[in-house]
Amino acid sequence: GAGVSQSPRYKVAKRGQDVALRCDPISGHVSLFWYQQALGQGPEFLTYFQNEAQLDKSGLPSDRFFAERPEGSVSTLKIQRTQQEDSAVYLCASRSSGEANTEAFFGQGTRLTVV
Amino acid sequence: RKEVEQDPGPFNVPEGATVAFNCTYSNSASQSFFWYRQDCRKEPKLLMSVYSSGNEDGRFTAQLNRASQYISLLIRDSKLSDSATYLCVAPGRGYQKVTFGTGTKLQVIP
Repeated sequence: GAGVSQSPRYKVAKRGQDVALRCDPISGHVSLFWYQQALGQGPEFLTYFQNEAQLDKSGLPSDRFFAERPEGSVSTLKIQRTQQEDSAVYLCASRSSGEANTEAFFGQGTRLTVV
Repeated sequence: RKEVEQDPGPFNVPEGATVAFNCTYSNSASQSFFWYRQDCRKEPKLLMSVYSSGNEDGRFTAQLNRASQYISLLIRDSKLSDSATYLCVAPGRGYQKVTFGTGTKLQVIP
């Protein structure tokens, strides 16, 4: 497809379980972002990739969160030992360049519920 | 202070009304700003880019005030379909980092 694709759309995990969320950005897009959006809040920045390089991971809330983009296209956000406070929608966005003045396109998100 | 701040609302306005939202940002070096629209349980989508000279698209006008470090969004002749959350976006401390405000919820009522 032409847009950003995320999978799964919904994930229910038991507390303590590890999860992996996938993002397929728009083909050729250099920049990729992960955001966490809690109910009623704006998206909170987690991490940023430019091609395969993770240039900013300052938003990752703990060392249980890990993201990778090994070939500069598909990215995976992994959460280890999930906690209830990890329940949120995880949004992935891609941008055609590394320039801040270009539009970021979002996927539909993965809704994670930790029970 | 948060990097990007918005009044969360909700703003409840009648159809046909004019409504304006402001958003303040803390990074004085920021150059590029955007307004995104997010419908309930949907992903954010770009509404407008914000240029130094202002930007107008139909009923929507976005303006930038660098001296006071805020951007604004004006919606004229509100439609029921304008009901959504409007997210202000500015670059964060890192040049390439994109930071969102918490969003302003707009509800247009008949």
